[in-house]
Amino acid sequence: SAVISQKPSRDICQRGTSLTIQCQVDSQVTMMFWYRQQPGQSLTLIATANQGSEATYESGFVIDKFPISRPNLTFSTLTVSNMSPEDSSIYLCSVEQGTLNTEAFFGQGTRLTVV
Amino acid sequence: AQKVTQAQTEISVVEKEDVTLDCVYETRDTTYYLFWYKQPPSGELVFLIRRNSFDEQNEISGRYSWNFQKSTSSFNFTITASQVVDSAVYFCALRSGYSTLTFGKGTMLLVSP
Repeated sequence: SAVISQKPSRDICQRGTSLTIQCQVDSQVTMMFWYRQQPGQSLTLIATANQGSEATYESGFVIDKFPISRPNLTFSTLTVSNMSPEDSSIYLCSVEQGTLNTEAFFGQGTRLTVV
Repeated sequence: AQKVTQAQTEISVVEKEDVTLDCVYETRDTTYYLFWYKQPPSGELVFLIRRNSFDEQNEISGRYSWNFQKSTSSFNFTITASQVVDSAVYFCALRSGYSTLTFGKGTMLLVSP
């Protein structure tokens, strides 16, 4: 299984600022995924990041608010821009491996609190 | 469209009790994959199992077992002789066709000593 390292593990940020979350994988993967988990809620996919192309965003998420970089096959970043308290969530990075990419593994998450 | 329903929001048991977490799914695809993940208080998502739609065999792994029934579109998860360390939120998830993972709302399991 892939080993995924996410940084930072948690942060407390002032509203109006931006935070960049890093995700490092120990093997090359085609697609990386970013999820948001609001307090007490399930996981919602923000976007899919492919190396060498723009990320594909899900409905309700836009690039200006959540810019994503994917410079190579083992690394990605998600930036939460112009933060408000509503952005307080756990943000998780994920990769898929295995037969037909049917096994999904997650980083340890970034617990973000916006004050 | 695909959907996952975990009707149990929260379950409380006493240590050593058996507990079953329910998961009902909806999909029009004949090929699909079902997952269970554990999310302890620390926040990371731990992969527990993947089951594909062609394999209805039940699976046992230590104190964990899974019952997959296509006839009722269910993929239930049982923990035998629960322990305090089992306390976590458990998510059932589905992927069908070329779609992305869809998660249920999760079931919070609280195991008391």
